[in-house]
Amino acid sequence: DVKVTQSSRYLVKRTGEKVFLECVQDMDHENMFWYRQDPGLGLRLIYFSYDVKMKEKGDIPEGYSVSREKKERFSLILESASTNQTSMYLCASSSGGTGPYYGYTFGSGTRLTVV
Amino acid sequence: GDSVTQMEGPVTLSEEAFLTINCTYTATGYPSLFWYVQYPGEGLQLLLKATKADDKGSNKGFEATYRKETTSFHLEKGSVQVSDSAVYFCALNTGRRALTFGSGTRLQVE
Repeated sequence: DVKVTQSSRYLVKRTGEKVFLECVQDMDHENMFWYRQDPGLGLRLIYFSYDVKMKEKGDIPEGYSVSREKKERFSLILESASTNQTSMYLCASSSGGTGPYYGYTFGSGTRLTVV
Repeated sequence: GDSVTQMEGPVTLSEEAFLTINCTYTATGYPSLFWYVQYPGEGLQLLLKATKADDKGSNKGFEATYRKETTSFHLEKGSVQVSDSAVYFCALNTGRRALTFGSGTRLQVE
């Protein structure tokens, strides 16, 4: 069964810590995405990557960075965690191209609490 | 820019009731449209999709028709079950690699 795996389901971190959220997919997908999910706001795109070492900012990149050194792995980095980054973080992947879109495969999410 | 508007929830229904969750969109060009479902404690799963006007997507008894004239993609099911309780997200894509999602609608079936 194809999968997107997020390394942690729950994380608790302190304000000011550097936080790494890891995501791995086994489908040889070109595109990978990081969203955060907050009640009433739906899913908001933080960053995405369409190839190894390539990245693009989404709608809310401030306070975040990403790394994609290998095709299957896409990491989200909170340089200095703050309480307003407490959220559910969702990773997704999709096959490449820009034609009619056939949707994403999502991971199960990481619920991050910053105290 | 692109945007998706969903009806606010929660929607509470009795088992076997008819379900409609409204979704309208604003987009440049001709988007592909999607419904995703998120069960408690899980990530999102693709429920159904439509890639051009008048297409009907269907899966697990759910249906949605791509209406270009009203820019809508409403989700319907004739008879809901307790197991359908989840959060439903409408989404679109206009050829960019990233999907644009609505805010989600929580469905509670009792």
